[in-house]
Amino acid sequence: GQQLNQSPQSMFIQEGEDVSMNCTSSSIFNTWLWYKQDPGEGPVLLIALYKAGELTSNGRLTAQFGITRKDSFLNISASIPSDVGIYFCAGPSVSGGSNYKLTFGKGTLLTVNP
Amino acid sequence: SAVISQKPSRDICQRGTSLTIQCQVDSQVTMMFWYRQQPGQSLTLIATANQGSEATYESGFVIDKFPISRPNLTFSTLTVSNMSPEDSSIYLCSVETSGSKTYNEQFFGPGTRLTVL
Repeated sequence: GQQLNQSPQSMFIQEGEDVSMNCTSSSIFNTWLWYKQDPGEGPVLLIALYKAGELTSNGRLTAQFGITRKDSFLNISASIPSDVGIYFCAGPSVSGGSNYKLTFGKGTLLTVNP
Repeated sequence: SAVISQKPSRDICQRGTSLTIQCQVDSQVTMMFWYRQQPGQSLTLIATANQGSEATYESGFVIDKFPISRPNLTFSTLTVSNMSPEDSSIYLCSVETSGSKTYNEQFFGPGTRLTVL
């Protein structure tokens, strides 16, 4: 099946710093989704991207759908302690025509030091 | 979006027993999904639960181990059968909302944290 390579695996930053993480794939994705998971909770959808080259913001978060449709990045500006959590990229599987099967990256664990 | 609740939120079970996890959505949805998230790992799709038909299981997951029910458009259950310590995970249900702008967006419940002794 398709795989998403997410990096970095973990990040330790100071409050106020900007953060960047990315996802790459050997296959094309038609949609890129970015989720955040707080400890003890389910993932929460942050941003959805639908078109190659699309740049979308949600508050301090900005995500882009790569032109090749094989990558995406997520930026967080001016980080705050509540940004702590695991960030996952995800994309629907295109093999077999089953677009609703989501493949998840392994996640980026973000720690923000106050 | 959709509001999703799961019961129980956590449980500690004995080896060899079974646990049924419930997922309730506040609106009617066609597609519901069950995921497993092993400790420190990403999410892995177990099966897709469609109302009125049998669940579709992913490679590595079988109906005898993870029977699923989907009696209506707002509810589903996942049973973890004959549990072993390797089944200790977070089990999450999710739903896909339809619409041109929300295609393929999935929303997740809070998860059920299962520990098998």
